[in-house]
Amino acid sequence: DSGVTQTPKHLITATGQRVTLRCSPRSGDLSVYWYQQSLDQGLQFLIQYYNGEERAKGNILERFSAQQFPDLHSELNLSSLELGDSALYFCASSASGLAGGVGELFFGEGSRLTVL
Amino acid sequence: AQSVTQLDSQVPVFEEAPVELRCNYSSSVSVYLFWYVQYPNQGLQLLLKYLSGSTLVKGINGFEAEFNKSQTSFHLRKPSVHISDTAEYFCAARPSSGTYKYIFGTGTRLKVLA
Repeated sequence: DSGVTQTPKHLITATGQRVTLRCSPRSGDLSVYWYQQSLDQGLQFLIQYYNGEERAKGNILERFSAQQFPDLHSELNLSSLELGDSALYFCASSASGLAGGVGELFFGEGSRLTVL
Repeated sequence: AQSVTQLDSQVPVFEEAPVELRCNYSSSVSVYLFWYVQYPNQGLQLLLKYLSGSTLVKGINGFEAEFNKSQTSFHLRKPSVHISDTAEYFCAARPSSGTYKYIFGTGTRLKVLA
Protein backbone atom coordinates (compact mmCIF):
# COMPACT_ATOMS: atom_id res chain seq x y z
CA ASP A 1 0.00 0.00 0.00
CA SER A 2 1.61 3.24 -1.20
CA GLY A 3 -0.61 5.47 0.91
CA VAL A 4 -2.00 7.25 -2.16
CA THR A 5 -5.72 6.77 -2.64
CA GLN A 6 -7.52 7.21 -5.92
CA THR A 7 -11.23 7.10 -6.56
CA PRO A 8 -13.06 5.79 -8.42
CA LYS A 9 -11.10 2.68 -9.44
CA HIS A 10 -13.24 2.15 -12.52
CA LEU A 11 -15.44 4.53 -14.45
CA ILE A 12 -17.47 3.95 -17.59
CA THR A 13 -19.05 6.90 -19.31
CA ALA A 14 -20.16 8.15 -22.70
CA THR A 15 -18.55 10.52 -25.17
CA GLY A 16 -19.21 14.16 -24.43
CA GLN A 17 -19.57 13.61 -20.71
CA ARG A 18 -17.51 15.04 -17.85
CA VAL A 19 -15.87 13.10 -15.02
CA THR A 20 -13.85 13.94 -11.94
CA LEU A 21 -11.06 11.76 -10.62
CA ARG A 22 -9.95 12.21 -7.05
CA CYS A 23 -6.60 11.66 -5.39
CA SER A 24 -5.58 11.74 -1.74
CA PRO A 25 -1.79 11.91 -1.38
CA ARG A 26 0.28 10.22 1.29
CA SER A 27 0.06 11.91 4.63
CA GLY A 28 2.46 14.84 4.65
CA ASP A 29 3.21 14.85 0.92
CA LEU A 30 2.75 18.29 -0.61
CA SER A 31 3.26 17.39 -4.29
CA VAL A 32 0.68 15.67 -6.44
CA TYR A 33 1.28 14.49 -9.99
CA TRP A 34 -1.20 13.25 -12.56
CA TYR A 35 -0.27 10.79 -15.30
CA GLN A 36 -2.21 9.18 -18.12
CA GLN A 37 -1.30 5.64 -19.12
CA SER A 38 -2.57 4.31 -22.40
CA LEU A 39 -1.44 1.33 -24.43
CA ASP A 40 -0.09 3.31 -27.34
CA GLN A 41 1.49 6.24 -25.50
CA GLY A 42 2.86 4.83 -22.28
CA LEU A 43 2.90 6.99 -19.16
CA GLN A 44 2.27 10.62 -20.04
CA PHE A 45 2.83 13.40 -17.52
CA LEU A 46 -0.18 15.68 -17.26
CA ILE A 47 0.34 18.14 -14.43
CA GLN A 48 1.95 18.67 -11.03
CA TYR A 49 0.77 20.64 -8.01
CA TYR A 50 2.72 21.63 -4.94
CA ASN A 51 0.87 22.81 -1.87
CA GLY A 52 -2.06 24.05 -3.91
CA GLU A 53 -0.11 25.70 -6.71
CA GLU A 54 0.52 24.42 -10.21
CA ARG A 55 4.25 23.67 -10.63
CA ALA A 56 4.68 21.88 -13.92
CA LYS A 57 2.52 21.14 -16.90
CA GLY A 58 2.87 18.36 -19.41
CA ASN A 59 0.72 17.07 -22.23
CA ILE A 60 -2.56 18.04 -20.65
CA LEU A 61 -5.42 18.79 -23.03
CA GLU A 62 -7.44 21.99 -22.69
CA ARG A 63 -10.48 19.81 -21.98
CA PHE A 64 -8.73 18.59 -18.85
CA SER A 65 -8.15 20.59 -15.70
CA ALA A 66 -6.89 19.88 -12.23
CA GLN A 67 -6.58 21.49 -8.87
CA GLN A 68 -5.16 20.80 -5.44
CA PHE A 69 -7.21 21.79 -2.44
CA PRO A 70 -6.09 23.18 0.96
CA ASP A 71 -6.31 19.68 2.47
CA LEU A 72 -3.87 18.62 -0.31
CA HIS A 73 -6.19 16.25 -2.10
CA SER A 74 -6.37 16.76 -5.83
CA GLU A 75 -8.98 16.38 -8.52
CA LEU A 76 -8.55 15.85 -12.24
CA ASN A 77 -11.52 17.00 -14.30
CA LEU A 78 -11.99 15.56 -17.77
CA SER A 79 -14.67 17.12 -19.95
CA SER A 80 -16.12 16.64 -23.45
CA LEU A 81 -14.80 13.12 -23.27
CA GLU A 82 -13.69 11.35 -26.42
CA LEU A 83 -13.06 7.68 -27.09
CA GLY A 84 -9.33 8.36 -27.06
CA ASP A 85 -9.48 9.54 -23.47
CA SER A 86 -9.99 5.96 -22.34
CA ALA A 87 -6.94 5.20 -20.23
CA LEU A 88 -5.62 4.54 -16.77
CA TYR A 89 -5.10 7.77 -14.86
CA PHE A 90 -2.53 7.68 -12.09
CA CYS A 91 -1.97 10.05 -9.28
CA ALA A 92 1.37 10.13 -7.51
CA SER A 93 2.56 12.09 -4.53
CA SER A 94 5.94 13.16 -3.34
CA ALA A 95 7.32 14.87 -0.30
CA SER A 96 9.36 17.32 -2.32
CA GLY A 97 8.38 20.03 -4.71
CA LEU A 98 10.96 22.69 -4.26
CA ALA A 99 14.55 22.80 -5.44
CA GLY A 100 16.89 20.82 -3.27
CA GLY A 101 14.59 17.95 -2.42
CA VAL A 102 14.38 14.64 -4.23
CA GLY A 103 11.37 12.65 -3.26
CA GLU A 104 10.41 9.47 -4.99
CA LEU A 105 6.97 9.28 -6.45
CA PHE A 106 4.41 7.13 -4.67
CA PHE A 107 1.67 6.00 -7.03
CA GLY A 108 -1.94 5.20 -6.42
CA GLU A 109 -3.54 2.19 -8.07
CA GLY A 110 -5.09 4.33 -10.75
CA SER A 111 -8.53 5.14 -12.07
CA ARG A 112 -9.48 3.24 -15.20
CA LEU A 113 -11.66 5.38 -17.44
CA THR A 114 -13.59 3.80 -20.28
CA VAL A 115 -15.35 6.13 -22.70
CA LEU A 116 -17.98 4.45 -24.87
CA ALA B 1 13.81 18.94 -23.91
CA GLN B 2 14.06 15.85 -21.81
CA SER B 3 13.26 12.34 -23.01
CA VAL B 4 13.62 8.75 -21.87
CA THR B 5 13.89 5.86 -24.29
CA GLN B 6 13.40 2.23 -23.43
CA LEU B 7 14.61 0.32 -26.42
CA ASP B 8 12.82 -2.95 -25.77
CA SER B 9 9.05 -3.11 -25.44
CA GLN B 10 9.13 -6.77 -24.42
CA VAL B 11 11.84 -8.99 -23.00
CA PRO B 12 11.22 -12.71 -22.55
CA VAL B 13 13.73 -14.56 -20.38
CA PHE B 14 13.87 -17.95 -18.75
CA GLU B 15 13.71 -18.30 -14.99
CA GLU B 16 17.10 -18.05 -13.23
CA ALA B 17 18.66 -16.41 -16.29
CA PRO B 18 20.16 -12.91 -16.11
CA VAL B 19 18.32 -9.96 -17.62
CA GLU B 20 19.16 -6.43 -18.69
CA LEU B 21 16.51 -3.81 -19.45
CA ARG B 22 17.86 -0.88 -21.37
CA CYS B 23 17.19 2.79 -20.76
CA ASN B 24 18.69 5.84 -22.43
CA TYR B 25 17.92 9.41 -21.56
CA SER B 26 18.38 12.75 -23.25
CA SER B 27 18.60 15.97 -21.31
CA SER B 28 20.35 19.31 -21.56
CA VAL B 29 20.69 19.42 -17.77
CA SER B 30 21.79 16.92 -15.19
CA VAL B 31 19.10 14.50 -14.14
CA TYR B 32 18.10 12.09 -11.45
CA LEU B 33 17.21 8.64 -12.75
CA PHE B 34 14.73 6.07 -11.51
CA TRP B 35 13.41 2.60 -12.27
CA TYR B 36 9.84 1.74 -11.34
CA VAL B 37 8.01 -1.59 -11.57
CA GLN B 38 4.32 -2.07 -12.25
CA TYR B 39 2.72 -5.40 -11.43
CA PRO B 40 -0.63 -6.23 -13.07
CA ASN B 41 -3.50 -4.08 -11.83
CA GLN B 42 -1.25 -2.09 -9.53
CA GLY B 43 0.38 1.30 -9.45
CA LEU B 44 4.08 1.85 -10.00
CA GLN B 45 6.56 1.32 -7.20
CA LEU B 46 10.16 2.42 -6.96
CA LEU B 47 12.88 -0.15 -7.60
CA LEU B 48 15.90 2.11 -7.32
CA LYS B 49 17.16 5.60 -7.98
CA TYR B 50 20.37 7.37 -8.94
CA LEU B 51 20.92 10.83 -7.53
CA SER B 52 24.70 11.17 -7.37
CA GLY B 53 27.81 9.34 -6.23
CA SER B 54 28.45 5.70 -7.06
CA THR B 55 27.27 4.87 -10.55
CA LEU B 56 26.15 1.39 -9.50
CA VAL B 57 22.88 1.55 -7.64
CA LYS B 58 21.28 -1.37 -5.85
CA GLY B 59 17.56 -1.62 -5.40
CA ILE B 60 14.91 -3.93 -4.08
CA ASN B 61 14.31 -7.53 -5.15
CA GLY B 62 17.92 -8.02 -6.26
CA PHE B 63 17.86 -5.44 -9.04
CA GLU B 64 20.68 -3.03 -9.75
CA ALA B 65 21.34 -0.34 -12.33
CA GLU B 66 24.41 1.41 -13.63
CA PHE B 67 24.52 5.07 -14.56
CA ASN B 68 26.74 5.77 -17.55
CA LYS B 69 27.01 9.48 -18.20
CA SER B 70 29.02 9.21 -21.42
CA GLN B 71 26.45 6.87 -22.95
CA THR B 72 23.50 8.59 -21.24
CA SER B 73 22.27 5.20 -20.12
CA PHE B 74 20.79 3.72 -16.97
CA HIS B 75 20.33 0.01 -17.67
CA LEU B 76 18.61 -2.24 -15.15
CA ARG B 77 20.00 -5.68 -14.41
CA LYS B 78 19.26 -8.75 -12.36
CA PRO B 79 21.61 -11.75 -12.28
CA SER B 80 18.86 -14.35 -11.84
CA VAL B 81 15.18 -13.66 -12.44
CA HIS B 82 12.15 -15.33 -10.89
CA ILE B 83 8.67 -15.88 -12.21
CA SER B 84 7.50 -13.20 -9.79
CA ASP B 85 9.60 -10.60 -11.61
CA THR B 86 7.15 -10.70 -14.51
CA ALA B 87 5.93 -7.11 -14.70
CA GLU B 88 6.30 -3.86 -16.61
CA TYR B 89 9.39 -1.80 -15.86
CA PHE B 90 9.62 1.94 -16.37
CA CYS B 91 12.69 4.12 -16.49
CA ALA B 92 12.20 7.76 -15.48
CA ALA B 93 14.23 10.95 -15.34
CA ARG B 94 13.82 14.23 -13.54
CA PRO B 95 15.99 17.35 -13.78
CA SER B 96 18.18 17.80 -10.73
CA SER B 97 17.08 21.43 -10.48
CA GLY B 98 14.24 23.57 -11.67
CA THR B 99 11.11 21.77 -12.79
CA TYR B 100 9.99 18.66 -10.93
CA LYS B 101 8.62 17.04 -14.05
CA TYR B 102 9.31 13.29 -14.02
CA ILE B 103 9.45 11.90 -17.55
CA PHE B 104 8.86 8.19 -18.04
CA GLY B 105 9.90 5.85 -20.80
CA THR B 106 7.31 3.75 -22.59
CA GLY B 107 8.03 0.72 -20.45
CA THR B 108 9.51 -2.74 -20.97
CA ARG B 109 7.37 -5.77 -20.33
CA LEU B 110 9.51 -8.46 -18.71
CA LYS B 111 8.10 -11.95 -19.08
CA VAL B 112 9.86 -14.66 -17.12
CA LEU B 113 9.33 -18.12 -18.55
CA ALA B 114 9.42 -21.37 -16.57
